[in-house]
Amino acid sequence: GESVGLHLPTLSVQEGDNSIINCAYSNSASDYFIWYKQESGKGPQFIIDIRSNMDKRQGQRVTVLLNKTVKHLSLQIAATQPGDSAVYFCAETNDYKLSFGAGTTVTVRA
Amino acid sequence: DARVTQTPRHKVTEMGQEVTMRCQPILGHNTVFWYRQTMMQGLELLAYFRNRAPLDDSGMPKDRFSAEMPDATLATLKIQPSEPRDSAVYFCASGLHRGTLFGPGTRLLVL
Repeated sequence: GESVGLHLPTLSVQEGDNSIINCAYSNSASDYFIWYKQESGKGPQFIIDIRSNMDKRQGQRVTVLLNKTVKHLSLQIAATQPGDSAVYFCAETNDYKLSFGAGTTVTVRA
Repeated sequence: DARVTQTPRHKVTEMGQEVTMRCQPILGHNTVFWYRQTMMQGLELLAYFRNRAPLDDSGMPKDRFSAEMPDATLATLKIQPSEPRDSAVYFCASGLHRGTLFGPGTRLLVL
């Protein structure tokens, strides 16, 4: 069946360090994989996506890696800042329908 | 920045009452979604529309939930009658090709 899940529910990181958030998926037919950030009291905010035929994509301070062999997705945040504290969701999409994982709560320590 | 708007932002009601949530998708976006978020179930897709036509509402309890798009600028989600287990945050989202954008959500509490 379909499932998108995150390896760890919480991550604590020192300000300025790099963060890595991991996600495992099971549906190989998904056309895109997406990372969302959700701050308290707000809706999920699009961070970055990657097409299923790619293995790496970079944005501003973020990099998404896709390993289709082991069905693994990761989000790397460079030089983590206090504003990066949030819940991060990976999602996969087919025909634009999003299936979300459970979320990882990232806390940035000053 | 174009944004998805939702009203009301908060709603407290009693069991058995009708609840109507409204969403204004981003102009030009042809796909509109309704998601529900709870601590136990996470983010679940309830229904979605493309070009105002319902494509999938399999995530909704059909006996009490209904979703419509009367026009391209308005999507509605109704619950009648509401139950305490419907308490959740309901998100509307809209998209064009990729990059689904979410609204701020309606936080619903059914007593």
